[in-house]
Amino acid sequence: AQSVTQLDSQVPVFEEAPVELRCNYSSSVSVYLFWYVQYPNQGLQLLLKYLSGSTLVESINGFEAEFNKSQTSFHLRKPSVHISDTAEYFCAVSDPAAGNKLTFGGGTRVLVKP
Amino acid sequence: EAQVTQNPRYLITVTGKKLTVTCSQNMNHEYMSWYRQDPGLGLRQIYYSMNVEVTDKGDVPEGYKVSRKEKRNFPLILESPSPNQTSLYFCASSYRDRVLPGELFFGEGSRLTVL
Repeated sequence: AQSVTQLDSQVPVFEEAPVELRCNYSSSVSVYLFWYVQYPNQGLQLLLKYLSGSTLVESINGFEAEFNKSQTSFHLRKPSVHISDTAEYFCAVSDPAAGNKLTFGGGTRVLVKP
Repeated sequence: EAQVTQNPRYLITVTGKKLTVTCSQNMNHEYMSWYRQDPGLGLRQIYYSMNVEVTDKGDVPEGYKVSRKEKRNFPLILESPSPNQTSLYFCASSYRDRVLPGELFFGEGSRLTVL
């Protein structure tokens, strides 16, 4: 079974500074990868996804993630954060061999300070 | 507006008192699922449904029941709630595609406290 590890449970960061959220998954077989974001008191929303093709994927609000198959990682980055990026971020892996079952990491809480 | 609606959003109950959390989606999605969110554990799947009358256990099904009599509804039933079921619950839905996974659409969550 897949497992997903988000190495940092909390990441405090100053506004306009860069941020990187780390995500590693357990299996080296072909998988699909996602980042979901949860703003305070809301449900999760899809931020970006990797299904195939270019290993660098981007979201509309400036986040990007790079799929690294050899390191089984899918780290999320943003070069300059805003206060509005304060949220919890979840990495998730979908395993086609398991009917596309989605497995979530434990989440990383990002607190952007002015 | 496309949405997944859960009710109630907040509930405090006592051990053993049966309760149901409703979930309804208006996107004609085949796939629906329940998750519970606990600090540091992320989201863990309780039950899921590929289509009407088709349900299956997720990773943490003990103490829960579900039904899928209609495509749009997927209620979560706690027959005899216990304090370890105190959690934040999310319902989610998506189109079902065996080749590519669909985007999951989440409800706003139901915070349940069992005393």
